[in-house]
Amino acid sequence: DAMVIQNPRYQVTQFGKPVTLSCSQTLNHNVMYWYQQKSSQAPKLLFHYYDKDFNNEADTPDNFQSRRPNTSFCFLDIRSPGLGDAAMYLCATSSGALGEKLFFGSGTQLSVL
Amino acid sequence: DQQVKQNSPSLSVQEGRISILNCDYTNSMFDYFLWYKKYPAEGPTFLISISSIKDKNEDGRFTVFLNKSAKHLSLHIVPSQPGDSAVYFCAGGHSGTYKYIFGTGTRLKVLA
Repeated sequence: DAMVIQNPRYQVTQFGKPVTLSCSQTLNHNVMYWYQQKSSQAPKLLFHYYDKDFNNEADTPDNFQSRRPNTSFCFLDIRSPGLGDAAMYLCATSSGALGEKLFFGSGTQLSVL
Repeated sequence: DQQVKQNSPSLSVQEGRISILNCDYTNSMFDYFLWYKKYPAEGPTFLISISSIKDKNEDGRFTVFLNKSAKHLSLHIVPSQPGDSAVYFCAGGHSGTYKYIFGTGTRLKVLA
């Protein structure tokens, strides 16, 4: 089945140690998103790509970076994770057409020790 | 600025009864709205959507109502089933940006 796959499901890192989360899709969608969700909060959009066009949200910390080497893959790099970066990270895709829904992966739960 | 608000963090409903989940928004540019359901440790799954040119959309047990003048949406689930117990998120988006802004969610518990 076509889907959005996130690896790993659970990631533990140390304070200040760089970490990379990955997302792949078989939907051939133009748009890929990264959301951060903390407990009992709304999923917060960090950034998105339309094809190779990168769009950063104004309030996304510089500590968060992203790469999209091709249509299928997108990575979230956290350069120096702090305790406050512990969260669920959700990758989503969309065709980009008006009203097209987002397809989400299962998420990566990041813990920072 | 929280553009999408779900003011009820939780809701409990008896099985077979109607569940009504509410969502308010402030951004008048939103022209499309989505509802998602999320189980613990899983990604959100799409439920139903509505365009701003409509005031109602129905899909099986799920109906979404949109009141543009009040900037208010509601999701009705009839009849509610125990498997509907999850967190429900609404999201608003507008053409040309490809972005959706999510609310904080409402945790629905359907009691058997």
